[in-house]
Amino acid sequence: NAGVMQNPRHLVRRRGQEARLRCSPMKGHSHVYWYRQLPEEGLKFMVYLQKENIIDESGMPKERFSAEFPKEGPSILRIQQVVRGDSAAYFCASSPGSGRIDEQFFGPGTRLTVL
Amino acid sequence: AQSVTQLGSHVSVSEGALVLLRCNYSSSVPPYLFWYVQYPNQGLQLLLKYTSAATLVKGINGFEAEFKKSETSFHLTKPSAHMSDAAEYFCAVSSGGKLIFGQGTELSVKP
Repeated sequence: NAGVMQNPRHLVRRRGQEARLRCSPMKGHSHVYWYRQLPEEGLKFMVYLQKENIIDESGMPKERFSAEFPKEGPSILRIQQVVRGDSAAYFCASSPGSGRIDEQFFGPGTRLTVL
Repeated sequence: AQSVTQLGSHVSVSEGALVLLRCNYSSSVPPYLFWYVQYPNQGLQLLLKYTSAATLVKGINGFEAEFKKSETSFHLTKPSAHMSDAAEYFCAVSSGGKLIFGQGTELSVKP
């Protein structure tokens, strides 16, 4: 059973470009979470999605960031007009259910560098 | 609001020594607590979780943690450190499905 897959693993963008980060959850998991890890900081929650629904986006910056989890295909975290402060590691996690005790399985992350 | 605080951003121990990583939580409801480990340039791996079934929780790689409500703590321990334990460790609390993480503790193991 393959784990959570993220691609690309490394992404370099120039200021003003768009970044698209992809996440394929574990087989059978319908809940996806995105977290961001800034240098020298812990992980911060960004958004929680189920298929075709955003459940909680309280951690998403109000502008330039969006996320989706379509009925078919991977979850996408999209960052428009990137700035240097967006440079970070972005982790996706998935779980089989929405219960508080459900373990979240993490992908290897996408490391975004904005030049 | 729920939160966790990890005391000590860096901990260094000798190989074979006791590992103690501290985590205190704040929660208005019975918390569900987790410890994750992150090796360099990798994702997070679950070490153990507390879900109110037992206060002493055993995890992978010889780690365990004890939930102490009176102290609002969930400290992670391992009796004997191994070089391969060098990594960053995160304590987290579940809040409405999402995880709220502490700042992390980097563990160094000296030979």
